[in-house]
Amino acid sequence: AQSVTQLDSQVPVFEEAPVELRCNYSSSVSVYLFWYVQYPNQGLQLLLKYLSGSTLVKGINGFEAEFNKSQTSFHLRKPSVHISDTAEYFCAVSEGAGKSTFGDGTTLTVKP
Amino acid sequence: NAGVTQTPKFRILKIGQSMTLQCTQDMNHNYMYWYRQDPGMGLKLIYYSVGAGITDKGEVPNGYNVSRSTTEDFPLRLELAAPSQTSVYFCASSYSGAGELFFGEGSRLTVL
Repeated sequence: AQSVTQLDSQVPVFEEAPVELRCNYSSSVSVYLFWYVQYPNQGLQLLLKYLSGSTLVKGINGFEAEFNKSQTSFHLRKPSVHISDTAEYFCAVSEGAGKSTFGDGTTLTVKP
Repeated sequence: NAGVTQTPKFRILKIGQSMTLQCTQDMNHNYMYWYRQDPGMGLKLIYYSVGAGITDKGEVPNGYNVSRSTTEDFPLRLELAAPSQTSVYFCASSYSGAGELFFGEGSRLTVL
């Protein structure tokens, strides 16, 4: 069975600082990996995804993530955050059978 | 472009009442899902469907039922509501089993 662990429940950071949100997964087969963002009182929307190919994936709003198969990780990074990046971030894994498993989420708070 | 539409957005139920959360998508996606999100936790899969006429249980199906008579619609039925079903419910769809999920805006349900 697949599972996802987001290692930080809350990440406070100052505006224009870099940030990394950590995600580890476990699965017995090849997986597809996703990061979603949820703004208050909204549904989730896709930030980026890894399906195959290059292990460095670029997404919207300047975010990127690196797939590391040996460490079973898919950490999300942004070199310089803005106040508007304050949101809940979810890492998800899918084995391709139509069911995605989500982590518990990381609350990113960007302070001025 | 509507995407995934859920109704109602808010609802308060008394213990023992029943109701249906409606979900419709206009992207011609085969896969549809119902998740629940509890505070401080990730999304838990309730039921999913890989096409019209086909449904299957997810991680937390007890107390819920679904049907999929058309590609567009995937209603979630709550029978005999209980306080433990107080949550935010998200409907989602995807083109394939390995693809990204497109989410509705959520339905906030309170059972008193």
